[in-house]
Parts: sequence; C-alpha cells; structure tokens
Amino acid sequence: GENVEQHPSTLSVQEGDSAVIKCTYSDSASNYFPWYKQELGKRPQLIIDIRSNVGEKKDQRIAVTLNKTAKHFSLHITETQPEDSAVYFCAASPYDYKLSFGAGTTVTVRA
Amino acid sequence: NAGVTQTPKFRVLKTGQSMTLLCAQDMNHEYMYWYRQDPGMGLRLIHYSVGEGTTAKGEVPDGYNVSRLKKQNFLLGLESAAPSQTSVYFCASSGRTGLGAFFGQGTRLTVV
Repeated sequence: GENVEQHPSTLSVQEGDSAVIKCTYSDSASNYFPWYKQELGKRPQLIIDIRSNVGEKKDQRIAVTLNKTAKHFSLHITETQPEDSAVYFCAASPYDYKLSFGAGTTVTVRA
Repeated sequence: NAGVTQTPKFRVLKTGQSMTLLCAQDMNHEYMYWYRQDPGMGLRLIHYSVGEGTTAKGEVPDGYNVSRLKKQNFLLGLESAAPSQTSVYFCASSGRTGLGAFFGQGTRLTVV
C-alpha cells in the first residue's frame, strides 16, 4: 500500500515568516494529495488539495506544490499568523478514497 | 447540515468489554472510513467502505469489526477491548466528487 513520510515533525516559526512542510509518497499511482489542519482537540479539516495533473495550487496564504517525478509534495504557508498554529497532515491516494496519511507536523507560530 | 457525527464522544472501557462506535453522515457520501489517531503516528486507517453493504480492511484492522448496513451509517465494533486500543477514533466520509474526506469530531476511548 501507499506509504507517506512527512517532515519535519515539529516546526517553530516567527509570526510573519513562512513555513514549509514536505511529504514523500511511495505509490507512483497516487494522484490525489490533500492537506489537513487539526487544531488542538478538534477534527482534521481539509485546507487545500492538489491532483497529479497540476503542479501548484494556491489559496490565499497557503500553497501546495507537487513533483510527481520525485514523488514529493509540499505545503507552503506565507505570512504566518498565530491562528496557523496546529498539526498539519499530508495524505496521498491513487483513488478518490482510502487516503494514507503522514505522521503530522506540529506548527507553532511565535508572536 | 450536520456533516459527519460520531457517538459517543468519550468512553472508558475495561479490558475485555465490548462496544460499538456509531458514525452517521448526511452528505450522501459513498465512502466511509474509520481511523485511529495516536501521538506521533498520524491517522491510521482501520476499516473502510466503498458503498452500502461493503467493507474492507485498512492498515490496522485487527481487533475491530465494521458494518455498513445503511449508506449513511458506519459502525465500528470492539469485541474484546485491549489497552492497546486506547486512542482517538475518527470517522470520515467522502464522495465521488473528490473533494476530500470530511471528519467527525472524534471519540476518545480509554481502555483500562
């Protein structure tokens, strides 16, 4: 099955700086790559996703890039704010279902 | 629109007891999932369903059973709880539109 590795496991950034989280996947058939944000004690929520026919996607301060050849994808958060502090999960799937998740990155934004 | 609803939110079991977690979705989604979340290990898929009456094993199925008798409901059963099953359990659902999975609020289960 699909194996997703996520780095780093923790990330501390100064407010206003950028944060980058990287994930690699093993199944070359994977074509759907969502990112989830989970605040403390809450459920994971989808924040952005990308499909294999697109190299980059942006939504305000967040962006995701995909390199299918190298089998890795990344989440970029610009101009970080305190409310960006959370655990972020990447995921991958060769279908529209059965997501395999990375282990998560705890992001802390320092004021 | 409630989305995905799980019951109960919290539960404490003694080793060897059984219980059922209920997941209900009102989005007419075809796919439903049960994940467990443990510190440092992300979300691991226990079982999933691609439609009413179907179920399949995920990464960590041992010790769990599931049923999907109705499209909107997905039940997770623990027949004989063990301390290793102490975790936060999330149900999720997704549709064929490919808009990602929507999660329930989670169930915190402690087995003592």
